[in-house]
Formats: sequence, C-alpha cells, structure tokens
Amino acid sequence: GQSLEQPSEVTAVEGAIVQINCTYQTSGFYGLSWYQQHDGGAPTFLSYNALDGLEETGRFSSFLSRSDSYGYLLLQELQMKDSASYFCAVGRNSGNTPLVFGKGTRLSVIA
Amino acid sequence: DVKVTQSSRYLVKRTGEKVFLECVQDMDHENMFWYRQDPGLGLRLIYFSYDVKMKEKGDIPEGYSVSREKKERFSLILESASTNQTSMYLCASSLNPGNSPLHFGNGTRLTVT
Repeated sequence: GQSLEQPSEVTAVEGAIVQINCTYQTSGFYGLSWYQQHDGGAPTFLSYNALDGLEETGRFSSFLSRSDSYGYLLLQELQMKDSASYFCAVGRNSGNTPLVFGKGTRLSVIA
Repeated sequence: DVKVTQSSRYLVKRTGEKVFLECVQDMDHENMFWYRQDPGLGLRLIYFSYDVKMKEKGDIPEGYSVSREKKERFSLILESASTNQTSMYLCASSLNPGNSPLHFGNGTRLTVT
C-alpha cells in the first residue's frame, strides 16, 4: 500500500515563511505533486517534483528528496489569500496510475 | 484553459435513490477521475477511466459505478444512495494519469437523507 503524512494544521503570520512537510511510503514512486484548495473551491495544481531538489514558482517552492521519501512546500511572503488547504500527492509506476493524495494541511495566515 | 464542469453544485437525495453525477471536460483528455472528499480524510479515488468505455476501480469503489460513453463525459452512479455517501464529489481530468496536473471541477456536495 501507500501512505502520506502531512501536518493537519499550520498557522503562520502574514509576511512570514512557512514550510509544509510531506513524507510518503509507496512502491514505484514517480513524483510528488502539490495542490491548493480554498474553502468551497476546487483543488488547483501548484507544483510537481520528479527529481531531487528545489523547484521555484514565484513565492512558492517545492522540494523533494527521494532517498528520504520526503518533500515540502515552501510559501514565502505569506499573504492572507494563502489561507487554504494544501495537499501533497504521489505519482507511481512511471506516472501510469492515478495520484494518491495526503489528507491535507490547513494553513491559516494571521495578521 | 481546461474546463471541467460538474452538472450540480448541490444535490439532496433520499436513501435508496439512484443518483447520477455528471462531469464534462473540454480539453480532450483521455484520463478522467472521480474523487470523494471528506473532512480529515483528504481526497480518495473512487473510479477512474483511461479511455472511452474503459473504467478501473480506485480505492473506495463500493456502492458506486461509472460510465464513460464519450471521451468528454464521465458519470458517477450511486446505485442505491446511502447516508454514508453524503460527501463532496470531485471530478478531474488529466493528460496522463499520474504525472501531469489534474484539473478539477468545482465539486458536487451530495446530501443523502
């Protein structure tokens, strides 16, 4: 089987930096994705890491260490609109099977 | 931009009813998915489809079936709705099953009474 662990809740101050961790156990690991979901909205794709290292997209970065079965999403210069749930998801088997999602981390950005 | 449209935003049905949830995508994606989202449980895969008339069970298929008669349309069917199927249902499509972005619809919140 497969499992993903991420914190259920994180609170951070506006303007700060926050890191949301994700550890996974799965066979045939292929890549790690991150999705954002605002309350009442649909999940939207943020990033994808297939190789070790850091991928940066604006204020958001995502990191993967395949040897540690670990990744994280880094959000910089936090804004109130970043308050949302964030899901990590693993791809397996050369990307030929559907993603398996973690249970999500609810990020609250406070003033 | 990919658009995934779910036919109903909110649905209330009675126990035992047959329920159809419809999903249409406009990007010619071969892969379509139905997820269920419950608080604290994340997104769980019910069924997916790689192509027309093709379907595969996901992690929680019991009590559900699907239909994919046309490439753009993927329907989720609750044969006999039960109260434990009260949930948010999310449809998604993608180019590849596991290594390209999933595009989600806005979801259908189903309440079974």
